[in-house]
Amino acid sequence: EDQVTQSPEALRLQEGESSSLNCSYTVSGLRGLFWYRQDPGKGPEFLFTLYSAGEEKEKERLKATLTKKESFLHITAPKPEDSATYLCAVWKTSYDKVIFGPGTSLSVIP
Amino acid sequence: DTAVSQTPKYLVTQMGNDKSIKCEQNLGHDTMYWYKQDSKKFLKIMFSYNNKELIINETVPNRFSPKSPDKAHLNLHINSLELGDSAVYFCASSQAGGITDTQYFGPGTRLTVL
Repeated sequence: EDQVTQSPEALRLQEGESSSLNCSYTVSGLRGLFWYRQDPGKGPEFLFTLYSAGEEKEKERLKATLTKKESFLHITAPKPEDSATYLCAVWKTSYDKVIFGPGTSLSVIP
Repeated sequence: DTAVSQTPKYLVTQMGNDKSIKCEQNLGHDTMYWYKQDSKKFLKIMFSYNNKELIINETVPNRFSPKSPDKAHLNLHINSLELGDSAVYFCASSQAGGITDTQYFGPGTRLTVL
């Protein structure tokens, strides 16, 4: 069965304390993996799309990487404004189906 | 200017009622989506329309019926509302009809069924 899991469920960091979020997936026929950021009471905001193992993408303090079974979102020297829920989603080959993970709630403390 | 807008933002209603949620995008995109986010924050795609044509129709009760009068609008009508329908519903849009394209989400409609 197709599945997307994320860990940890919640993460508290001090400002400037770098860390990584994990997205693990068991999906047949992966075509891509997405990362989104969601602030409370708002819709998800697109961050990255990764297509193949070994690919990396960066945006400000965020860097996303992809292997054959998981993706990492590295946060370097986070700031309080990086506090949000980070969602990953996998895109299956068949039927253009996108499966979201449950998210990691990140809190960055000043 | 809001790119993807939804109305209403909050909707509280009784079981058995019929309700609609409206979505409009001013980005000129060809594809629009409806997602449901449950209390555990799982986001699940419900429908996808490309140029007013239904593309994705996940396993959703037939009480849910999307309607796309034009490619800038995708409304969601729900009949005979049930307690389990309580969730946040997000509309989204993307360009060119490909799921890989960046999807822009609306602010969500929080539906509470009493």
